[in-house]
Amino acid sequence: GEEVAQTPKHLVRGEGQKAKLYCAPIKGHSYVFWYQQVLKNEFKFLISFQNENVFDETGMPKERFSAKCLPNSPCSLEIQATKLEDSAVYFCASSHIQGNYGYTFGSGTRLTVV
Amino acid sequence: AQKVTQAQTEISVVEKEDVTLDCVYETRDTTYYLFWYKQPPSGELVFLIRRNSFDEQNEISGRYSWNFQKSTSSFNFTITASQVVDSAVYFCALRGGSQGNLIFGKGTKLSVKP
Repeated sequence: GEEVAQTPKHLVRGEGQKAKLYCAPIKGHSYVFWYQQVLKNEFKFLISFQNENVFDETGMPKERFSAKCLPNSPCSLEIQATKLEDSAVYFCASSHIQGNYGYTFGSGTRLTVV
Repeated sequence: AQKVTQAQTEISVVEKEDVTLDCVYETRDTTYYLFWYKQPPSGELVFLIRRNSFDEQNEISGRYSWNFQKSTSSFNFTITASQVVDSAVYFCALRGGSQGNLIFGKGTKLSVKP
């Protein structure tokens, strides 16, 4: 499709629970990026993939966050043992060639940790 | 290091006023791309413009215009005759180097009052 599909739109988890977010990039886009936006302010880059390979993971908190992009499946971002500070909107974006021609963002998943 | 600075945190104008949103960037790359995104209260990211470092032509699209000045590392955005629907947070972003990910500014919240 021509849109980046993120599911679910909203997710509520108790502290310590696991959260898993999904992103289906636009068909033909080989790059996927995950960003975290806290309180509608700063965007923090988490991780990017080139197809199923990790391209850049410099923004990933290594202890509790993990991500995958497997063939023929939506990409996923998983947070083990969520903390209150993980509450944010998580955006996924896909692009054709490293963003040279622009990025298409999904509508985001709002994660609330209570 | 790469950085995007949007010094204006919040701007409030009355409908029909012109408003300019400032964006200053830092990069050591000779090839880079600059973007503006709009984030309305509904939360999605709306792509407005992409400009590459070799193209210093200013651009106009309806009531929107962009002024790219490499000499001052600025990529400012002007809305002419603002409307209430322009109320949103506007983000300037930079993509440079080989990483592929976007570096976002902290955003400028624009409120247009009737």
